[in-house]
Amino acid sequence: EIVMTQSPATLSVSPGERATLSCRASQSFNNNLAWYQQKPGQAPRLLIYGASTRATGVPVRFSGSGSGTEFTLTIDSLQSEDIAVYYCHQYDSWPDTFGQGTKLEMK
Amino acid sequence: QVQLVQSGAEMKRPGASVKVSCKTSGYTFNRYGVTWVRQAPGQGLEYMGSISVYSGDTYYAQKFQGRVTLTTDTSTTTAHMDLRSLTSDDTAMYYCARVDFSNSIGNDYWGQGTLLTVSS
Repeated sequence: EIVMTQSPATLSVSPGERATLSCRASQSFNNNLAWYQQKPGQAPRLLIYGASTRATGVPVRFSGSGSGTEFTLTIDSLQSEDIAVYYCHQYDSWPDTFGQGTKLEMK
Repeated sequence: QVQLVQSGAEMKRPGASVKVSCKTSGYTFNRYGVTWVRQAPGQGLEYMGSISVYSGDTYYAQKFQGRVTLTTDTSTTTAHMDLRSLTSDDTAMYYCARVDFSNSIGNDYWGQGTLLTVSS
């Protein structure tokens, strides 16, 4: 199975600054890569699919990029409501696998 | 609007079985699949398996093969997850999520989660 590794484990960013979250795969795959946001006590929320397509209703400050084995989620101008854990998810190769998550904190 | 509403919290003894339900609405049930993901306390997301409502085909993560069964009921647009031979390691929040096998958009709608506690 494809192992997804996210970095950093915890990221501290000042309000209004940019947050860059990384996700690396153990082997290359087509861009069937999603990013989810999970706030405490809530189910995950789809932000990005196909590596770079924003899901319905997702603010434009969220963007996804990358291909092959390296993928990035960028949050421009961090807002307080963006504080959450973020997970990458590859759904290209069975079985689906998730990264271990990056906890985003406000500095 | 699309909704997935899961059954309530469960408490089970080790060795028992549990059935978690996921009632869907707001979309054409048999045009999508349902994926099940669990999350142990303070941990990340773990894929368990998926089912195609249209074909009935199931895909189970190897870790759960033989211990989990995914089914759907098209008359009630409900998906079910049966997990057997429970141990304390199965204590987790269990989520169902819609999956679009045709258009590769990941899991776009999620249930609220069902907390399973396994304890003697």
